[in-house]
Amino acid sequence: NAGVTQTPKFQVLKTGQSMTLQCAQDMNHEYMSWYRQDPGMGLRLIHYSVGAGITDQGEVPNGYNVSRSTTEDFPLRLLSAAPSQTSVYFCASSTTYDRQETQYFGPGTRLLVL
Amino acid sequence: AQSVSQHNHHVILSEAASLELGCNYSYGGTVNLFWYVQYPGQHLQLLLKYFSGDPLVKGIKGFEAEFIKSKFSFNLRKPSVQWSDTAEYFCAVNAILTGGGNKLTFGTGTQLKVEL
Repeated sequence: NAGVTQTPKFQVLKTGQSMTLQCAQDMNHEYMSWYRQDPGMGLRLIHYSVGAGITDQGEVPNGYNVSRSTTEDFPLRLLSAAPSQTSVYFCASSTTYDRQETQYFGPGTRLLVL
Repeated sequence: AQSVSQHNHHVILSEAASLELGCNYSYGGTVNLFWYVQYPGQHLQLLLKYFSGDPLVKGIKGFEAEFIKSKFSFNLRKPSVQWSDTAEYFCAVNAILTGGGNKLTFGTGTQLKVEL
């Protein structure tokens, strides 16, 4: 049981490039979400999904797209990277979207946009 | 909108010292409260959580937290810290009336360094 996995671990992009951050979980969790972690700002919610085919915006969704075609995968897309998107990105999942469920976090992707 | 404040950004303690990290939240309704820890080079993991009942909750590795509703606080404590407790600690809140989903609002984190 690998839990929540994320790839790549580290990525450097040039401004304007696009890329997809991958997130997968093997726990059959319904709920998945993406956070970004910036110094002095904690973690902020980007997008979330309560099940396959259902996504919604979080606190800081601009510049990011998501889709959820399967229960296991929840990729995060940057269509045109900007330096302001330099951050550490964490994917998380929980059994359901019930607010009392513990969220399990992946190891993170460190992104640098030049 | 709800917010979470962690007033101690950096804390340095000697081994065996007692620890208390502050956490205050702004939402006045029913909340679920969490403390997560991030050890160096690792991902976030849950220390403890509070939903209802006994306001003093115990978590892993000897940590505990007390929910004081009148003070909107959920402070984390440990009677005697160890070098291995060096990590970043995040308080998080999930308010009942903020729409669907398990959406957490995190504090800015407290970096704890325990010296031998």
